[in-house]
Amino acid sequence: GAGVSQSPRYKVAKRGQDVALRCDPISGHVSLFWYQQALGQGPEFLTYFQNEAQLDKSGLPSDRFFAERPEGSVSTLKIQRTQQEDSAVYLCASSVLLRTLTWGETQYFGPGTRLLVL
Amino acid sequence: KQEVTQIPAALSVPEGENLVLNCSFTDSAIYNLQWFRQDPGKGLTSLLLIQSSQREQTSGRLNASLDKSSGRSTLYIAASQPGDSATYLCAVRPQGGSEKLVFGKGTKLTVNP
Repeated sequence: GAGVSQSPRYKVAKRGQDVALRCDPISGHVSLFWYQQALGQGPEFLTYFQNEAQLDKSGLPSDRFFAERPEGSVSTLKIQRTQQEDSAVYLCASSVLLRTLTWGETQYFGPGTRLLVL
Repeated sequence: KQEVTQIPAALSVPEGENLVLNCSFTDSAIYNLQWFRQDPGKGLTSLLLIQSSQREQTSGRLNASLDKSSGRSTLYIAASQPGDSATYLCAVRPQGGSEKLVFGKGTKLTVNP
């Protein structure tokens, strides 16, 4: 597709349930990001991949959060034993990695997965 | 730790008015600053990206300025239209580390017909 896609768009989970959120980046994009956006807040960084390598996971809030991108394209964000505070919109973004990293490239965002933990 | 603040949190204006959204950041060590638009239930759309060496960028009715030394950016929207109604987010890419962005909480803009 032309843009970043995410699935499911909405997910309702019972507290304690495990969930898996999928992100399909733009074809050819090397960099992939996950952000968490709570209601009324700006997105907060969770983790970052360059191809299949997870280069930064400093934003993951606990060891219940795990992300992978095994073949350098599709990524999955998994949340184990979900808690009510995990309720948020999870945004995925991808970008082309430029050789001159000092400039940076805009990130293209998907529509997000809205997670509600009851 | 880099922190981004956006003022005001919400803004309501009549159609046709020119307006300014403000963004400030605490650490001037950034690679770039971006302005995004977010519509309800949708992802973010990049509006303008200003590199750290630049002072401003323009796209159509939008103009964004950057004063890195003072940690400030403004987004100017000319001749606002009801279709401009959305939440506008400011984000900086800090120097060093990964390519992650640090976002403000956004300004919710309503343009009334």
